[in-house]
Amino acid sequence: DSGVTQTPKHLITATGQRVTLRCSPRSGDLSVYWYQQSLDQGLQFLIQYYNGEERAKGNILERFSAQQFPDLHSELNLSSLELGDSALYFCASSAEYNEQFFGPGTRLTVL
Amino acid sequence: GNSVTQMEGPVTLSEEAFLTINCTYTATGYPSLFWYVQYPGEGLQLLLKATKADDKGSNKGFEATYRKETTSFHLEKGSVQVSDSAVYFCALSENFQFYFGTGTSLTVIP
Repeated sequence: DSGVTQTPKHLITATGQRVTLRCSPRSGDLSVYWYQQSLDQGLQFLIQYYNGEERAKGNILERFSAQQFPDLHSELNLSSLELGDSALYFCASSAEYNEQFFGPGTRLTVL
Repeated sequence: GNSVTQMEGPVTLSEEAFLTINCTYTATGYPSLFWYVQYPGEGLQLLLKATKADDKGSNKGFEATYRKETTSFHLEKGSVQVSDSAVYFCALSENFQFYFGTGTSLTVIP
């Protein structure tokens, strides 16, 4: 158990819909990272937050957004969903930018 | 820019065989290097790490040495087991950002 929790574990929705994925980092970790893992594109870095502020941005679509709250949990919002957004979404947390701990992931299926 | 290139899979080995998964990197400074493992249906777990040149990371019989001169961090294990079947990711960290390789799938057959 990495100490990082993600909810929900599975999510099934329709095209055009909006969903929110939630992540609680390990106790004391200030950094949260979001990744998308799909079969054809591997592990893609989406975005990083540090203590409530956006720190780095990767291949995140404009339809996607994220935030980190004062209690350090983070949410990833995915809107106008397309079939191609079906993937595993991982959250990871880090204390000192030197090691990441991954959550179990949220499997999103867009029908 | 920074990047990680790792050996493409899938790799299939017999139990007790020697494993090498190649990883090379490009970085502008002095990154930390990692190997992560992902077992079926699970998230990524840190397997080992090295934070400076010539450091050797090791865990569960796996080893990797940070080679600055060849910009490599190859993963090795002397005798693999069926339970090592998983996807292995090489990664680097520099300037608050992480870069992952595409992953190498390993299957160990009895």
